[in-house]
Amino acid sequence: DTEVTQTPKHLVMGMTNKKSLKCEQHMGHRAMYWYKQKAKKPPELMFVYSYEKLSINESVPSRFSPECPNSSLLNLHLHALQPEDSALYLCASSPTGGYTEAFFGQGTRLTVV
Amino acid sequence: AQSVTQLDSHVSVSEGTPVLLRCNYSSSYSPSLFWYVQHPNKGLQLLLKYTSAATLVKGINGFEAEFKKSETSFHLTKPSAHMSDAAEYFCVVTGNTGGFKTIFGAGTRLFVKA
Repeated sequence: DTEVTQTPKHLVMGMTNKKSLKCEQHMGHRAMYWYKQKAKKPPELMFVYSYEKLSINESVPSRFSPECPNSSLLNLHLHALQPEDSALYLCASSPTGGYTEAFFGQGTRLTVV
Repeated sequence: AQSVTQLDSHVSVSEGTPVLLRCNYSSSYSPSLFWYVQHPNKGLQLLLKYTSAATLVKGINGFEAEFKKSETSFHLTKPSAHMSDAAEYFCVVTGNTGGFKTIFGAGTRLFVKA
């Protein structure tokens, strides 16, 4: 299994809603990432988990809350988002980090209304 | 500090002609370099990577790239473009500063004309 699976593929939520994005990989990778990608822009790193511990938080607003329940799963909890948070959210994993490549999921297209 | 510059925001080629997507990098360390492709509304797929082994790297779908330290370049090439190559391409650098940090280029949109 060489896939990173993200659910849901599409999500529309109101600014007062709470929702979660999910990411799963079964490649035994020990680093997992959340990226945010706006239209016609490169992905921007949000969070990195290494060995299930938060390693990097790129000054992301607290309305985004990551969680890594185990080495295969990564969640992104969303609360009180703004319309400008609408974007493609990409999950990725890598065997460790640094000098190894990342494998990306297909993304969740989030629209905040 | 590390940075990566993709020299063209758009490249247009005819089907069957060569593709050249240019990438320059800056790194205080020996970098690892990657090219990813992204089709519309899809995730990123790794095309190839350079991690200080052979300087000419072959990837998937007929793509290859050459690491040139003297020119700080890592250009992506393909001898003959196919319609399915039309997509966004990202050059990425990582390094041992910060471990997990990945620096993305701004991207190059490849158009392939029939």
